[in-house]
Amino acid sequence: AQSVTQPDIHITVSEGASLELRCNYSYGATPYLFWYVQSPGQGLQLLLKYFSGDTLVQGIKGFEAEFKRSQSSFNLRKPSVHWSDAAEYFCAVGTYNNNDMRFGAGTRLTVKP
Amino acid sequence: ETGVTQSPTHLIKTRGQQVTLRCSSQSGHNTVSWYQQALGQGPQFIFQYYREEENGRGNFPPRFSGLQFPNYSSELNVNALELDDSALYLCASSSPYEKLFFGSGTQLSVL
Repeated sequence: AQSVTQPDIHITVSEGASLELRCNYSYGATPYLFWYVQSPGQGLQLLLKYFSGDTLVQGIKGFEAEFKRSQSSFNLRKPSVHWSDAAEYFCAVGTYNNNDMRFGAGTRLTVKP
Repeated sequence: ETGVTQSPTHLIKTRGQQVTLRCSSQSGHNTVSWYQQALGQGPQFIFQYYREEENGRGNFPPRFSGLQFPNYSSELNVNALELDDSALYLCASSSPYEKLFFGSGTQLSVL
């Protein structure tokens, strides 16, 4: 069965510092991988997705993620964090038709001034 | 902001009651998915509707049921509410094989 693990429950970084959020997946076939962001009281917004092709995926708001099949990982990165990036981040693995998308438990990002 | 709207935004019910949550999908979308997000957890897939038919279901009991209407809006019904049903319920609409657009959710509290 497909599943996602986000090892870090909470991460704190200083504004302007680089960021990496970890995600490991378990999936029998070629995974469809996603990163979403959720601000308090809001729904989820898609940052980026990977279906196939180039393993380095660019997303919105300056985020990128790299798919590494050998490590079953899909880590999210940003070179310079802004205070507005403080939110909950979810990694997800799904099917081609968005049916039964599995989310990780999330990583809460705090940004220090 | 997405074009997905959910109502109500907050709801308080007591154990054993029934509840109906509503979702209006974004224009042009014919697929609606429902998720339950417990406090401190990631969303869990409840079910998906495509053109008024259930198109996949997660590990939720039959007391969780749904409907999709000809205008592609949707309802989530939960019977015999339990305390553990307290959660944020998220609706997402999409076109087939396209990204999900999430609403802001309905916060359900069961006392």
